[in-house]
Amino acid sequence: DTEVTQTPKHLVMGMTNKKSLKCEQHMGHRAMYWYKQKAKKPPELMFVYSYEKLSINESVPSRFSPECPNSSLLNLHLHALQPEDSALYLCASSQELAVAGTQYFGPGTRLLVL
Amino acid sequence: AQSVTQPDIHITVSEGASLELRCNYSYGATPYLFWYVQSPGQGLQLLLKYFSGDTLFQCIKGFEAEFKRSQSSFNLRKPSVHWSDAAEYFCAVALNYGGSQGNLIFGKGTKLSVKP
Repeated sequence: DTEVTQTPKHLVMGMTNKKSLKCEQHMGHRAMYWYKQKAKKPPELMFVYSYEKLSINESVPSRFSPECPNSSLLNLHLHALQPEDSALYLCASSQELAVAGTQYFGPGTRLLVL
Repeated sequence: AQSVTQPDIHITVSEGASLELRCNYSYGATPYLFWYVQSPGQGLQLLLKYFSGDTLFQCIKGFEAEFKRSQSSFNLRKPSVHWSDAAEYFCAVALNYGGSQGNLIFGKGTKLSVKP
């Protein structure tokens, strides 16, 4: 089973709202990732967690706050977003944070900020 | 720096015709290469990966890829395209240094359209 699940599938929020995106995997993977993908563009890496510790933050604004409560879960907390933050947010996981680690992606959450 | 180039932004082929999607990489050592496919509004599905060894191999959905070190290419091919193959295809290389090990660098993608 190589499934990564993400909820919700769609989210509409105002600029003053607080919401969270959730990602889950039960493959025993120890590395998890958040990507942002704008239309007609490749995914851009936002955060990497390895063994539940933040490993990489690609200079993402503080209105995006990741959290890794346990090895299977990865959340992305959203607060005071801007309309330009509207995008598809993808979660991925891999066995380890290693060059040979294959990343498996979830279906994504499509976010619209009004 | 490692990079991936997909020269074709959009390709249209007729159903049943053959397909080749091009990918060129820039990397000094043995690259770790991937092809992902993304249907509209969906996440990325792994098609195949190359770590080392064979230069020609098959993966899911009848696609095959050929690694040519001399040309720094990792092209994706399919002998006969089906309408359901219409999607965006991304080539990616995994970084292999420092704290960024395993991070993927994606090409800009090639959109495949299939004519009936």
